[in-house]
Amino acid sequence: AQSVTQLDSHVSVSEGTPVLLRCNYSSSYSPSLFWYVQHPNKGLQLLLKYTSAATLVKGINGFEAEFKKSETSFHLTKPSAHMSDAAEYFCVVSDRQAGTALIFGKGTTLSVSS
Amino acid sequence: EPEVTQTPSHQVTQMGQEVILRCVPISNHLYFYWYRQILGQKVEFLVSFYNNEISEKSEIFDDQFSVERPDGSNFTLKIRSTKLEDSAMYFCASSKDREEVYEQYFGPGTRLTVT
Repeated sequence: AQSVTQLDSHVSVSEGTPVLLRCNYSSSYSPSLFWYVQHPNKGLQLLLKYTSAATLVKGINGFEAEFKKSETSFHLTKPSAHMSDAAEYFCVVSDRQAGTALIFGKGTTLSVSS
Repeated sequence: EPEVTQTPSHQVTQMGQEVILRCVPISNHLYFYWYRQILGQKVEFLVSFYNNEISEKSEIFDDQFSVERPDGSNFTLKIRSTKLEDSAMYFCASSKDREEVYEQYFGPGTRLTVT
């Protein structure tokens, strides 16, 4: 069965420093992987997606993630955090076994201090 | 930019009452979904809907739940007789077509509180 583990429930960084949000997945098939972000009182916004093309995926707002099959990881990074990046981030997996359902991790809250 | 909208943003209902949550998916999208997130827990898949019928549903989606696309724009989730444990944030989502079925666009959610 598919599953996602987000290794940190809360990450705190200073503005201008790098961001690393960690995600490991489990999937029987070739997975599709996503990162979604949720700002307070807003919907879930797709940040980026991996669907078996390039392993380094670039998303919106300067975020990127690298698919590493050998490590079953899909960590989210950004070189320099901005105050507006403070939000909840969800790592998500899906594959043919899951049908069209997205399987969510528990989320990581990113705090950015000035 | 087109977006998924949901109404109401917050619904309070008494246990045993019926509740209908409404969603307007993105207009040219063909696949529609409901997910929920109980406070402090993961976002969970409930149901997907395509071509006017349910295409997949999870174990959570029992006989108390139903979905409908009553017209060309709305997509609704009905809970027939609400329980305390139905209290959650309910998200509607849509995706464009089979090629992009996993690229799901989410609405802001409806917070359902059952008292």
